[in-house]
Amino acid sequence: SAVISQKPSRDICQRGTSLTIQCQVDSQVTMMFWYRQQPGQSLTLIATANQGSEATYESGFVIDKFPISRPNLTFSTLTVSNMSPEDSSIYLCSVEDPGSETQYFGPGTRLLVL
Amino acid sequence: AQSVAQPEDQVNVAEGNPLTVKCTYSVSGNPYLFWYVQYPNRGLQFLLKYITGDNLVKGSYGFEAEFNKSQTSFHLKKPSALVSDSALYFCAVRDWGGATNKLIFGTGTLLAVQP
Repeated sequence: SAVISQKPSRDICQRGTSLTIQCQVDSQVTMMFWYRQQPGQSLTLIATANQGSEATYESGFVIDKFPISRPNLTFSTLTVSNMSPEDSSIYLCSVEDPGSETQYFGPGTRLLVL
Repeated sequence: AQSVAQPEDQVNVAEGNPLTVKCTYSVSGNPYLFWYVQYPNRGLQFLLKYITGDNLVKGSYGFEAEFNKSQTSFHLKKPSALVSDSALYFCAVRDWGGATNKLIFGTGTLLAVQP
């Protein structure tokens, strides 16, 4: 399976600021995904990051709040913009292993907004 | 719409005893089902999946799951629990309704294994 890293692993931010989270994969993958896990809750997909095209956002998530970049087949970033305490969550990127129908997840970025 | 349900918020089991973590699903197409585990302060780790084939699938760390089409269930099992199995377990199903291959996750079940 792919090895996925995320930076930063955790951060504490002030409300109104923005944070960019990086996701790096050790192999080329077509589909990368960004999920949010709010405290004590399950995972919810924010968007699918497609290389060379705009990200596809799920209902309730908008590009102005969560802009995504996907410059190549091994890297993506998610920005959490104009943060509020409600954005305090774990943000996880995942990739789909070609041919296995399986998504593998990075270690997550733990964000606390004060 | 696709969905999964994990009816138990927490499962308690004594070390050495068998464990079961329940999951039921609702899908409009072929069910692609997954189990993931999340240890404290860690990301999600893939345990096992059912795509097609044998109803009993084996995965990592001695876990297995049985796909039951008539009961629309995909319960996670292990014959002998370890204290180190204590973690948060998520069942997930592939969503065929949208344009992406997203996973729909259950609410999670906290497994606590007592020594």
